[in-house]
Amino acid sequence: NAGVMQNPRHLVRRRGQEARLRCSPMKGHSHVYWYRQLPEEGLKFMVYLQKENIIDESGMPKERFSAEFPKEGPSILRIQQVVRGDSAAYFCASSPRENTGELFFGEGSRLTVL
Amino acid sequence: EDQVTQSPEALRLQEGESSSLNCSYTVSGLRGLFWYRQDPGKGPEFLFTLYSAGEEKEKERLKATLTKKESFLHITAPKPEDSATYLCAVSPSNYQLIWGAGTKLIIKP
Repeated sequence: NAGVMQNPRHLVRRRGQEARLRCSPMKGHSHVYWYRQLPEEGLKFMVYLQKENIIDESGMPKERFSAEFPKEGPSILRIQQVVRGDSAAYFCASSPRENTGELFFGEGSRLTVL
Repeated sequence: EDQVTQSPEALRLQEGESSSLNCSYTVSGLRGLFWYRQDPGKGPEFLFTLYSAGEEKEKERLKATLTKKESFLHITAPKPEDSATYLCAVSPSNYQLIWGAGTKLIIKP
């Protein structure tokens, strides 16, 4: 039973480029969450999605950031025109039901912006 | 403002030396408190959920307890493989977690 799969694990972009991070939830999980982690800081909630729906994107900057979870395929976190401050580890988590804090995390995608 | 504070930031123990990690929180309407373990370069791994003051959960050498303002993660006779960063999170809503910065635990053999 594969866990939450994230790719790429490491991504380097120059300022102004686009970054696309992908997340395949655990089999049978229809709830996906994206979190961002900076060194020495706690995880910060970005967005919560269910299949084809964005439930809560209150933690995601309104500009340059977008997320989707299509009917088929992985969830995508897209960052346009990246800036150095976007450098961080981005974690995806999934759960089989709503209203739970028991999440299954992927190993993260580490974005470095030069 | 909902907030989670973990202490200490780092803790070094000898193998077999028991201790406790603290997680204090302020939240409007606690739905649950969660402990996770995170190894370097990995995603967090779920350990425990606590829902109400007085509740306790145990798993191997770890025991988590909850009061109205804080939670403790007690580690009894730790081994080097218990070395990790331990994260605490609270749930003020149905799905959004507020996280502490973590306690980095190092167990020396």
